[in-house]
Amino acid sequence: GENVEQHPSTLSVQEGDSAVIKCTYSDSASNYFPWYKQELGKRPQLIIDIRSNVGEKKDQRIAVTLNKTAKHFSLHITETQPEDSAVYFCAARYSGAGSYQLTFGKGTKLSVIP
Amino acid sequence: DSGVTQTPKHLITATGQRVTLRCSPRSGDLSVYWYQQSLDQGLQFLIQYYNGEERAKGNILERFSAQQFPDLHSELNLSSLELGDSALYFCASSVALAGDTQYFGPGTRLTVL
Repeated sequence: GENVEQHPSTLSVQEGDSAVIKCTYSDSASNYFPWYKQELGKRPQLIIDIRSNVGEKKDQRIAVTLNKTAKHFSLHITETQPEDSAVYFCAARYSGAGSYQLTFGKGTKLSVIP
Repeated sequence: DSGVTQTPKHLITATGQRVTLRCSPRSGDLSVYWYQQSLDQGLQFLIQYYNGEERAKGNILERFSAQQFPDLHSELNLSSLELGDSALYFCASSVALAGDTQYFGPGTRLTVL
């Protein structure tokens, strides 16, 4: 099965700085990589995703990059704001034998210091 | 609000008991996924149903079972509960079998005493 490693587990940045979270995956058959943001006590919410035929995707202050060869993908948040403070999860979707499950990393707790 | 609903919001029970968690997917979504989130394990995929049929199984214990009904709502049954089963249980839904975007429900917090 798929295995997703996520680093760092905690990240503190000053407001206005950039934050980068990195993930690696193990199965080259994985083809879809979403990022979820989870605020305390709330549901995970999709913030951006990328498919294996794309190398980079941007949405305002958030960007994701994918390196298929190295099997890693990263989340970049620029001009961080206090409301960006949350736990961020990366995931990889394994597609094989009719199964399309997401495997999640263990999460990164991002704290943006005003 | 993602459009996915889960009941109950909180559940407190004792070891050895059995509980049922319920999930209603977004209108039009055929796939339902169940996840367990505990403090030290992150989000663990349990099981996926698509249009009433089981399609994928993850780290789901034999004491746990699920089903998806003709109206597409799903239930997760947890039996012979242990202290370690205390966790947040999320349901998510997507449009298709290989649905890219999974929309998560608000979760059910299960506490086993």
